[in-house]
Amino acid sequence: GAVVSQHPSRVICKSGTSVKIECRSLDFQATTMFWYRQFPKQSLMLMATSNEGSKATYEQGVEKDKFLINHASLTLSTLTVTSAHPEDSSFYICSARGGTSGNEQFFGPGTRLTVL
Amino acid sequence: AQSVTQPDIHITVSEGASLELRCNYSYGATPYLFWYVQSPGQGLQLLLKYFSGDTLVQGIKGFEAEFKRSQSSFNLRKPSVHWSDAAEYFCAVGRLEYGNKLVFGAGTILRVKS
Repeated sequence: GAVVSQHPSRVICKSGTSVKIECRSLDFQATTMFWYRQFPKQSLMLMATSNEGSKATYEQGVEKDKFLINHASLTLSTLTVTSAHPEDSSFYICSARGGTSGNEQFFGPGTRLTVL
Repeated sequence: AQSVTQPDIHITVSEGASLELRCNYSYGATPYLFWYVQSPGQGLQLLLKYFSGDTLVQGIKGFEAEFKRSQSSFNLRKPSVHWSDAAEYFCAVGRLEYGNKLVFGAGTILRVKS
C-alpha cells in the first residue's frame, strides 16, 4: 500500500515551453501533497505544500507564477513549470500524506526535467 | 528554524562491516525523525521513523536508529553492510505544527567495497 506515482519519469523540453508533471496517490487519498526539488548531488528542498481543494503554499524564494501547483482531487496533484529555462532543469519529487498514513509522507519516484 | 546536519558527505565501508550514519537536528522540542534511502535517479524509500516512545527504532533492511534527546541526534546503524546498501541516505525532521513539512539533511553517500 501507500504507493505514489509520478509521470513522466523523464522529460526534455525546449526553453520557453511549459511542462506538466503529475503526482498520483494510487491506493490512498492524499489530503496533502508536497513538491520537492533536488539539484545534482544535493538534498531535497521543499517547494510547496498543497492541500486538496485549496491553493498551494509556497516556500520562500519559490516563484508561484513559475511553478503552478494544482491539487484538484484527493489522488492527483500537478506541477507545471511555466516558460521553462535551463536553470529549471532538476529532479522533481512529490510526496503525499493522507488516509491512515498519519504523519508519514510517501514519495514518488521523481521526474527528471531537462530544459534545452 | 529547524535544521538537520549530516556531517559525513561520503562514507566507505567494507561489505560485512558495521555502519553508523550520523544525524543531528536543531529544534526546541522532539520532532518527528526519519531516515530515507535514495538510489541514483530514484525517489526516496523510508527506512524508519521516530515519532515517540521507544528511542531505539527498527526499520527495514536491517537498519535501526536511536533517538538521543540529550545529543539531538538520530544516528542510523546497521551491524553488517551489504553491497546493495550502497546509496545515498537522508535524515529528515518534521514538525506537526508546520504541517509536517520535512527538512532534509544534505545526505550521506554510502559506498560499499568488497
